[in-house]
Parts: sequence; C-alpha cells; structure tokens
Amino acid sequence: KAGVTQTPRYLIKTRGQQVTLSCSPISGHRSVSWYQQTPGQGLQFLFEYFSETQRNKGNFPGRFSGRQFSNSRSEMNVSTLELGDSALYLCASRETSGFTDTQYFGPGTRLTVL
Amino acid sequence: TQLLEQSPQFLSIQEGENLTVYCNSSSVFSSLQWYRQEPGEGPVLLVTVVTGGEVKKLKRLTFQFGDARKDSSLHITAAQPGDTGLYLCAGADSGNTPLVFGKGTRLSVIA
Repeated sequence: KAGVTQTPRYLIKTRGQQVTLSCSPISGHRSVSWYQQTPGQGLQFLFEYFSETQRNKGNFPGRFSGRQFSNSRSEMNVSTLELGDSALYLCASRETSGFTDTQYFGPGTRLTVL
Repeated sequence: TQLLEQSPQFLSIQEGENLTVYCNSSSVFSSLQWYRQEPGEGPVLLVTVVTGGEVKKLKRLTFQFGDARKDSSLHITAAQPGDTGLYLCAGADSGNTPLVFGKGTRLSVIA
C-alpha cells in the first residue's frame, strides 16, 4: 500500500495570505488527522475528519479549517496567515482495529510565513 | 486532560552506549505507540503496544508497556548514529478521541 502523501512539501507565503494544504491517506483509511509541529510546542492536534465529517477539533482559531472529500482525501486551509503559523504541518491516516489505534504520518508540509 | 510526559527531553550519547527513554502519564491508555522522526520528515511508526506488561523488540530497540498501561519505556542497546532523531510516544484511549502525544525525546548519537 502506498503511504500518506502530502502536497506541497514546502511553501512560502507572506502575512495575510491564505494557504491550502492537501493530504491523501492510505488507501482504505477513512480517518485523516492534521497536526501542527513547532520546536517549542511539539505536535499539536488541529482536527480529525472521518467519512467527510469533522470528528474531533483541537484548540486552534477559526482561521484553521479543513474538509474531507468522498475519496478520503483531505485539505487544510489557513486564512490570514500570521508569522506564528510557520510550522511543519503533518497529516496522519488513522487505523483503528480492536484495541489498537495507530496513526501513519505523511512527510509534512513545511510552511514558512514571511 | 490526558498528558504524556517524556523524559529526558534531550539526550546526547556516544556510539555503542545504551539508553532508556520514558513516557509517563497518570491516565490509562488502551494502546501506546512509539514514533521516530527525522528532521523535516513526518514521524515513522516504530511499534504499538497494547497489553499491560507487554515487551516488544525491534532489533536493538526494546519497548515496554507498563502493567497499568499508564507508562512505557524505550531501551536502545548499543546506540548507533542512525538512531539519531526525535522519539515520540502517543497514547490512545478506547474511543475515537485524538491520540495524545508527548513532546518527545531528542536523541543524538555521536560516532
């Protein structure tokens, strides 16, 4: 099976712009989670989508939004970018089976806001 | 709120040394995962432990899940430079709630 893919890998934007990131999960996985990773804060959960519905949401402002399509691909949008939004954005495909709950991460999108 | 505390935060050792990193919580988890992340890349799953007291080995890496399923440890024998990276633990409960991640242990193995 192919792994989780994310596009683009690198992105440079300026303050006030908006950005859309894309994620394709592992085939057959219906859950996609998004995380923001910064050196100081570690991995912070943004939101999770399951079968096109947002199932969980982290503590981020409304500028961060997402959606999931019928083929399980997901997009994340950040509007009115701020310098502090510079981070590695990770997408993870989630597999739940019995007592096991495992996430498989993509390579991430490195966003730099100037 | 469930929290996972990882220790130490940073570890720098010489090639060939042994080390142990810890992942502790006051909460019970139904399973726990360990990941390794290299700079600029996403975390890569190393192992999932499910049963209290479970021990899993992956070559020179030994993972243990605490009897009460609240903590875990990762032991590396004869560390090599290729083991360098950020080691993250993540816990799951029995519902569809988000995984809880620790802040990680950054390991540097010097040749």
